[in-house]
Amino acid sequence: EAGVTQFPSHSVIEKGQTVTLRCDPISGHDNLYWYRRVMGKEIKFLLHFVKESKQDESGMPNNRFLAERTGGTYSTLKVQPAELEDSGVYFCASSQAVRGKQFFGPGTRLTVL
Amino acid sequence: AQKVTQAQTEISVVEKEDVTLDCVYETRDTTYYLFWYKQPPSGELVFLIRRNSFDEQNEISGRYSWNFQKSTSSFNFTITASQVVDSAVYFCALRLSNTGKLIFGQGTTLQVKP
Repeated sequence: EAGVTQFPSHSVIEKGQTVTLRCDPISGHDNLYWYRRVMGKEIKFLLHFVKESKQDESGMPNNRFLAERTGGTYSTLKVQPAELEDSGVYFCASSQAVRGKQFFGPGTRLTVL
Repeated sequence: AQKVTQAQTEISVVEKEDVTLDCVYETRDTTYYLFWYKQPPSGELVFLIRRNSFDEQNEISGRYSWNFQKSTSSFNFTITASQVVDSAVYFCALRLSNTGKLIFGQGTTLQVKP
């Protein structure tokens, strides 16, 4: 069974540009989470989807970040326009149930120059 | 507010040594869950263990063991007879019972030298 996949693995963009990160959860997992780790700090929660609905988006830093999960399958996280402080590793995780074990993807390393 | 603290940023040991990774958490909730994840060089976070707040029994899984003490709000992780393959970043995390959100500590980078 395929695990959580994320694309791209690494993205380097300039300040002001737009970047879209993609996450494909494990098939059948209704719950999808986005997290971010900035420069050696803790991994921080961004938001949680249940199917295509946003269950909790309390961790989204500002309105430059837009997450979608059309059809309740894969999810995208768009950053527009990107700022220097957005650099970090963005992780996606999925779980069958809300309280179930979360399986993480390998992350996307975003570098904003 | 909830918080997880991993005070050890980096630890370096020689193979076969025992090593303990510390984790201290803060929450006012009485029902919660604690986790440890391992992040090897490949990048993905690998689940190691989950404990709920009502189960303070220590757990052992091979060379890994976990010590959960509510009195000190700690959930420490010990690797016995460490191996080079144990080299990774280890994260402790907290989840409240009414949410799926994980609250992570800053991570501890463990380097096991041959």
